[in-house]
Amino acid sequence: EPEVTQTPSHQVTQMGQEVILRCVPISNHLYFYWYRQILGQKVEFLVSFYNNEISEKSEIFDDQFSVERPDGSNFTLKIRSTKLEDSAMYFCASTLRTSGGADEQFFGPGTRLTVL
Amino acid sequence: AQSVTQLGSHVSVSEGALVLLRCNYSSSVPPYLFWYVQYPNQGLQLLLKYTSAATLVKGINGFEAEFKKSETSFHLTKPSAHMSDAAEYFCAVRNINNDMRFGAGTRLTVKP
Repeated sequence: EPEVTQTPSHQVTQMGQEVILRCVPISNHLYFYWYRQILGQKVEFLVSFYNNEISEKSEIFDDQFSVERPDGSNFTLKIRSTKLEDSAMYFCASTLRTSGGADEQFFGPGTRLTVL
Repeated sequence: AQSVTQLGSHVSVSEGALVLLRCNYSSSVPPYLFWYVQYPNQGLQLLLKYTSAATLVKGINGFEAEFKKSETSFHLTKPSAHMSDAAEYFCAVRNINNDMRFGAGTRLTVKP
């Protein structure tokens, strides 16, 4: 069964450093998402991406964040200068389409980011 | 924007007892509603989803949920809890912009 994959599973970084979180969505999916979950809190939407551009972004997704689909398979989230409060689990998700039905978003296993 | 509220951050039941996890939604349009489960140190797995085809939705692992428009609810139930059901459960609604909006989550504990 196809699945969303994410690497690395755990990333430790120093405050102020740049990190890139990587995701490989399901191959025929067209819509991609990043969510984050701070420890003990709910899952929060960050950004959605379609047709090589951002569709929507939340207030959390400020100028420190960027997303990219550098090739036909990877979908990345970059945090330019990490802060302590960026420590969280980051989930990638993808879906085939969003119109005309409640298409399920398939979630990856997450990357745990720890900022020291 | 659509949103969901989960009542009870922590629910504890005995093995074999009924599981009831509550979720209420707020939506200006017919909602698409989902329940996800998160086992420790794992990602989110879809349990079931409401797409307006039927008000009673059956999911995996014996879970089901009933959409009640009059109560704006989509509570998750399971007749008999197993130890393996211990996890965090998230109710979610698909937002008008197609992202998912999650509730705060309910941690289910199952006692022997």
